[in-house]
Amino acid sequence: LAKTTQPISMDSYEGQEVNITCSHNNIATNDYITWYQQFPSQGPRFIIQGYKTKVTNEVASLFIPADRKSSTLSLPRVSLSDTAVYYCLVGLNTGGFKTIFGAGTRLFVKA
Amino acid sequence: ETGVTQTPRHLVMGMTNKKSLKCEQHLGHNAMYWYKQSAKKPLELMFVYSLEERVENNSVPSRFSPECPNSSHLFLHLHTLQPEDSALYLCASSQGTTPTDTQYFGPGTRLTVL
Repeated sequence: LAKTTQPISMDSYEGQEVNITCSHNNIATNDYITWYQQFPSQGPRFIIQGYKTKVTNEVASLFIPADRKSSTLSLPRVSLSDTAVYYCLVGLNTGGFKTIFGAGTRLFVKA
Repeated sequence: ETGVTQTPRHLVMGMTNKKSLKCEQHLGHNAMYWYKQSAKKPLELMFVYSLEERVENNSVPSRFSPECPNSSHLFLHLHTLQPEDSALYLCASSQGTTPTDTQYFGPGTRLTVL
């Protein structure tokens, strides 16, 4: 199973772009990279998923370099409501039986 | 979002009580999950059901008993719990159980065991 490493916490200000990097050095060829967001006392919510290069949706962008040993979640122009925990899941960690959420990155957005 | 609902939202019970948590998904999914999230800890996967068959039990104590009567409903029966079982219990569903199947979570049940 691919192990992921993320910063424990990050601070930002409203309107800034936030980039959260996840390291997954032993990612396997068929592994996907998935990010979830969790607000306090709520269940996680899917943000974005990718395999290589760049993926963008209405919420975020996901940048994956050619070696795929890391990925960066980019949140454009964050607001106070983006304060949450962000989880990076890789490979078998994203699929039913073996889903493993790590500690995630706690993002604080300040006014 | 009302794709996955959970009841009750809050529950306080004594160690000798028996209670049940209910989860319902309205997304037509085939897989359902129970997770436990204790304070300041990562989510722990407890049970996975695929097409109403239990496919994973991550060594959960027998005082937690899941039931999946159909693909839309999932229960977690609780009996003789311990105070350390106090946590947020989350239900999720997904279309399948492959790595590309996104999990959709309910709002959770905040359980307090006295």
